[in-house]
Amino acid sequence: GAVVSQHPSRVICKSGTSVKIECRSLDFQATTMFWYRQFPKKSLMLMATSNEGSKATYEQGVEKDKFLINHASLTLSTLTVTSAHPEDSSFYICSARDNLLWRENTEAFFGQGTRLTVV
Amino acid sequence: AQSVAQPEDQVNVAEGNPLTVKCTYSVSGNPYLFWYVQYPNRGLQFLLKYITGDNLVKGSYGFEAEFNKSQTSFHLKKPSALVSDSALYFCAVRGMNSGGYQKVTFGTGTKLQVIP
Repeated sequence: GAVVSQHPSRVICKSGTSVKIECRSLDFQATTMFWYRQFPKKSLMLMATSNEGSKATYEQGVEKDKFLINHASLTLSTLTVTSAHPEDSSFYICSARDNLLWRENTEAFFGQGTRLTVV
Repeated sequence: AQSVAQPEDQVNVAEGNPLTVKCTYSVSGNPYLFWYVQYPNRGLQFLLKYITGDNLVKGSYGFEAEFNKSQTSFHLKKPSALVSDSALYFCAVRGMNSGGYQKVTFGTGTKLQVIP
């Protein structure tokens, strides 16, 4: 149980285009999902917290209009990188917490990540 | 603000030897601490966590971690390293932010290299 599926695992796009990344909780409901960006020196940066049925909460310094987040259902959150540029190339990882278990201080579950390359 | 420090960028250990990956944290209130492992081009996999109770926590793949409140540390350990343990390890702490919800903060990661 507790599987988070992230799609696609790799994507190459042209500069100026938009790319959508999906994050699905396969066997649990997730009111809240998190989007991270991992830089080449490996640190994880929390970009935003995705809330089902409401607006995402963005971390300081993250452009809301560039990184559009939609959490339309209890099992799906999407991150759209709009007008992508080469500097947006990175590894993006989502995580989700189980609605039923989070109060018990359980861990978050992570997707397998998406390698975005903007050329 | 909460924070996590992993002071070692890389740890090298010979196969069969014990390994330690260090982690210290800062958080207000009771800390909820986690260790995750990441293999190349993959997401993070949960290893173990400390919420409350016994300071020595046992997790997946033979790993364990010791919570030390006075030293605010949560070092990851394994008695005998395997080559397959070579990966990137993240320590994380979960606390409260100003908005009230609980956010997870990750350390910068430590690359573990087990030498055959």
